[in-house]
Amino acid sequence: AQTVTQSQPEMSVQEAETVTLSCTYDTSENNYYLFWYKQPPSRQMILVIRQEAYKQQNATENRFSVNFQKAAKSFSLKISDSQLGDTAMYFCAFMKQGGAQKLVFGQGTRLTINP
Amino acid sequence: KAGVTQTPRYLIKTRGQQVTLSCSPISGHRSVSWYQQTPGQGLQFLFEYFSETQRNKGNFPGRFSGRQFSNSRSEMNVSTLELGDSALYLCASSGLGRGGHNEQFFGPGTRLTVL
Repeated sequence: AQTVTQSQPEMSVQEAETVTLSCTYDTSENNYYLFWYKQPPSRQMILVIRQEAYKQQNATENRFSVNFQKAAKSFSLKISDSQLGDTAMYFCAFMKQGGAQKLVFGQGTRLTINP
Repeated sequence: KAGVTQTPRYLIKTRGQQVTLSCSPISGHRSVSWYQQTPGQGLQFLFEYFSETQRNKGNFPGRFSGRQFSNSRSEMNVSTLELGDSALYLCASSGLGRGGHNEQFFGPGTRLTVL
């Protein structure tokens, strides 16, 4: 079975700062996907960024980038130039390649961006 | 394209009752996954349906069941409700894609309160 661990329950930074959210996972699978999802207060869960395990290059999406260390089973999210709208719960998630669409989530990190 | 819709958005039931939640996926999506979100247990996978067949099931008691119709709409049912079933129930749909992965698009959720 796969497990995902987010060791930072809460984080708080000032607007425009850079923040890094940590995530580690455990799996015996070789082919899988990793995701960061964002859940703003009282709003829908949306995908921030995804990483295919077979790709060595770290994924980036505008201000969001990941540091994927496959051997260490680590998958951190860096948010640059943070904005007030980045305030949300962030979930790291794992999915095996192929088969059912089943996400395994971490416990989440509550990120607050202060003005 | 309309997003994932879930009905009802809020529901209050008493212990012992049963409840049915509905999810309409994005047009063209054939996979529907259900998740339970609670403060204590976080986000947990319930089950996934693809083309009216359950492909995977999480570790939940048999009181939790689901089905999918030919138009890909899905329902989940919880019988003999317990206080611990109070949660946000999220539905996610995904379409066909390459490489064994399809992005999951989440609905707004149904907030179930069991009294």
